[in-house]
Parts: sequence; C-alpha cells; structure tokens
Amino acid sequence: EADIYQTPRYLVIGTGKKITLECSQTMGHDKMYWYQQDPGMELHLIHYSYGVNSTEKGDLSSESTVSRIRTEHFPLTLESARPSHTSQYLCASRPNSGNTIYFGEGSWLTVV
Amino acid sequence: GQNIDQPTEMTATEGAIVQINCTYQTSGFNGLFWYQQHAGEAPTFLSYNVLDGLEEKGRFSSFLSRSKGYSYLLLKELQMKDSASYLCAVTIPGGSYIPTFGRGTSLIVHP
Repeated sequence: EADIYQTPRYLVIGTGKKITLECSQTMGHDKMYWYQQDPGMELHLIHYSYGVNSTEKGDLSSESTVSRIRTEHFPLTLESARPSHTSQYLCASRPNSGNTIYFGEGSWLTVV
Repeated sequence: GQNIDQPTEMTATEGAIVQINCTYQTSGFNGLFWYQQHAGEAPTFLSYNVLDGLEEKGRFSSFLSRSKGYSYLLLKELQMKDSASYLCAVTIPGGSYIPTFGRGTSLIVHP
C-alpha cells in the first residue's frame, strides 16, 4: 500500500477564487505527478516533478501551477478558478527504483 | 503523439471470464500498466508488463505482445466487486517513464 494523501477530497468554490490542492507522500519518493481526469475520460498529465525544486509541465496545458519545496509535498494551485477547471485531480508518486505509480484518492473540484 | 485504444464498455456475468484488450501506437515502448479504478476512487495498480507473454497474478492475468502493440487483461471468476474501469497505460523510453493512459474500459459485472 502506498501512503499518498490528498486534501480536500471534495470542494465547491466560486469563479475567480484561488485554490490550492494539497498532496503529500510519506514514502520518500522523488518523482511526483498531477493528473487531471474528467468523468469517463483518460488521465491527462498536467505537472510532474523529479525532486525538490524540480517542476515540469505535462502534456495537457493547464492554468495551474505547482511547487516542490519539500520531497513529501507537491501542492497544485489555481490562482483564479473557472468552471472549465471543474474536474478530478489525481496526485501520484513513483519509487526511486521501480516503475509502479501510486495514486492518491483524488480531489474533486467543482467551480460554480 | 501516443495513441492507446481500449473498448469503452464491456459487460459480463458473475463467475465468468472476461478479456479486456488494449492496443497502442507509441514512439517507442518501455512497459505497459494495467490499473483498476472504481468510480470516484483513485486508480490502483494491477500489473506491469515489460516482456512478451502472459503474467498471472491470482484471478488477474496480463498479456503483452510488443510486436503487435497489443495487450490484454484477463479476469477470471468474476465478482461483482470487479465492476470498475480498467486503464491501460504505456511508458516510453526517454519519456521519463511517465505513463500515458488510455480512456479506460468500464466493466459491468451482473449477477
């Protein structure tokens, strides 16, 4: 079992609000990822990190930003939320040796 | 770009066997994942195939043919709790081993 946690699990916010989705893992994994998934659709990579102070944009263009100040923490921020940001956001991490990616339980964001 | 195809939906009967296919066209290949995702939950790891052939793990088996760009997930002795979405994902060399996911196959198991 992987220990990767996301908060909040569910959130409804108004348009224009700033929101940070938290992701933490206690396994010491260097590599962490954020995926976005709409219901019934594929996961799209929006951000990833190889380690502290390393962040990269993924395949899907996103208006969100991420930071990696500590190994265990990889928060995702939306400066000004819009209804088009309504989706599920999944955080994941990978062991330093090994290929399996472990997912958090996800954060469901609704922007009204 | 990378392309991964899976059937959108499948139905099967409790106790039966079902095979979920996945084909991929990618710029290289490193390995193929299968994940299970129940509605509203995070994906959970099922298998990872790097070499051709069948790998069995309890009721679940995964097969890979790299020359054909093809994999399948075989579920035996189906249970109601197997109703979920099954995601196929491929990693490519030089892609930092970040998997690219297909849309997933929604499996409905009925009594």
